[in-house]
Amino acid sequence: QITLKESGPTLVKPTQTLTVTCTFSGFSLTTSGVGVGWIRQPPGKALEWLALIFGDDDKRYSPSLKSRLTITKDTSKNQVVLTMTHLDPVDTATYYCAHRPWGMGNYFDPWGQGTLVTVSS
Amino acid sequence: EIVLTQSPATLSLSPGEGATLSCRASQSISSYLAWYQQKPGQAPRLLIYDSSNRATDIPARFSGSGSGTDFTLTISSLEPEDFAVYYCQHRFNGLTFGGGTKVEIK
Repeated sequence: QITLKESGPTLVKPTQTLTVTCTFSGFSLTTSGVGVGWIRQPPGKALEWLALIFGDDDKRYSPSLKSRLTITKDTSKNQVVLTMTHLDPVDTATYYCAHRPWGMGNYFDPWGQGTLVTVSS
Repeated sequence: EIVLTQSPATLSLSPGEGATLSCRASQSISSYLAWYQQKPGQAPRLLIYDSSNRATDIPARFSGSGSGTDFTLTISSLEPEDFAVYYCQHRFNGLTFGGGTKVEIK
């Protein structure tokens, strides 16, 4: 059974850097066709894809946020970390991590429960 | 960046009725489209991938179709647990989500 869980701060000040961690189980992030992605959702709004990392360490970023994002993995800890710089109140959202299955293309299944991050002074 | 436009924004239906949700891409995305269901307070769940393939354990009442720029998610007969928000997502030269369609109880 594949599970993912996000962790990180609930409140971040504007201009600060956000670091959120995804801890997963049930799969190994060491093969090229498997990945973990980050997606966020502002309250009451739609989903927005942020970043995706593969088992071979290939990385993809949303073009509109690429300059602010870094995604890394620690296979020994079964963790994926997303950092986002220069936070603004519009970055307030639930941040989800999700499994990118082997052989299915860049879709996500399953997802973690999400972690709400509020950006406010 | 490819934009996905979902319609209608809200669909008001009764249990037992059929639902047809639309997702239109700003350019051709072949069959590279997925559908997700999201219930209040929950994470999204993958329903359909590559336009018409049901994900694991998804009931047969959910079906997807389309290619190019126009896609449809059909729910043949709405169960009480199907009232939720549905999102489409493409994977053609990038990755974006649509704005969502809320299926509410009439």
